[in-house]
Amino acid sequence: SQQGEEDPQALSIQEGENATMNCSYKTSINNLQWYRQNSGRGLVHLILIRSNEREKHSGRLRVTLDTSKKSSSLLITASRAADTASYFCATVPYGNNRLAFGKGNQVVVIP
Amino acid sequence: NAGVMQNPRHLVRRRGQEARLRCSPMKGHSHVYWYRQLPEEGLKFMVYLQKENIIDESGMPKERFSAEFPKEGPSILRIQQVVRGDSAAYFCASSQGTGKDYEQYFGPGTRLTVT
Repeated sequence: SQQGEEDPQALSIQEGENATMNCSYKTSINNLQWYRQNSGRGLVHLILIRSNEREKHSGRLRVTLDTSKKSSSLLITASRAADTASYFCATVPYGNNRLAFGKGNQVVVIP
Repeated sequence: NAGVMQNPRHLVRRRGQEARLRCSPMKGHSHVYWYRQLPEEGLKFMVYLQKENIIDESGMPKERFSAEFPKEGPSILRIQQVVRGDSAAYFCASSQGTGKDYEQYFGPGTRLTVT
């Protein structure tokens, strides 16, 4: 089964609003990582949160991790048009080194 | 510090030909991973290599696909006798180590089109 499954939603928001996406997974993990992918481009690493961490910030990004619920959320505050992209969460299962990706959330920020 | 480099960025092959995709990890990174992204899907793990060793190839198709990471030079993903279903974006990632502290950084990908 696929780890790191995001809620299958496409978000369309106005510039300046916040965007929240969720991700759930099924097994124990070492860490969870969020990536951004612009259309037809490579993946940009956004943030890594370890299994023993609950919250992490990086600029306008805030990530939470709830290992009891096996879920994570990514919040982008004060969104900009340049944030328009697909966002993927990926887990590194415990005892493993590969990333297991979800299908991604498409976010469109309207200027 | 250059990021992960992949070439070519775009590759067109006819059915039955061979495709060779190259990946140079970030400086100081000795762990290389290959992933495949089919249209409208997320990325799927294919293989994990360290210098000269395949550590985990559980995501590789059993036939026609092979990977190597020689002592010198880039990692190579090789697809023999390509078929239309091999058309996808192939991404390489590298990391400095393994475990809960290490991010995987991705290259720009090679988009393979099989005609």
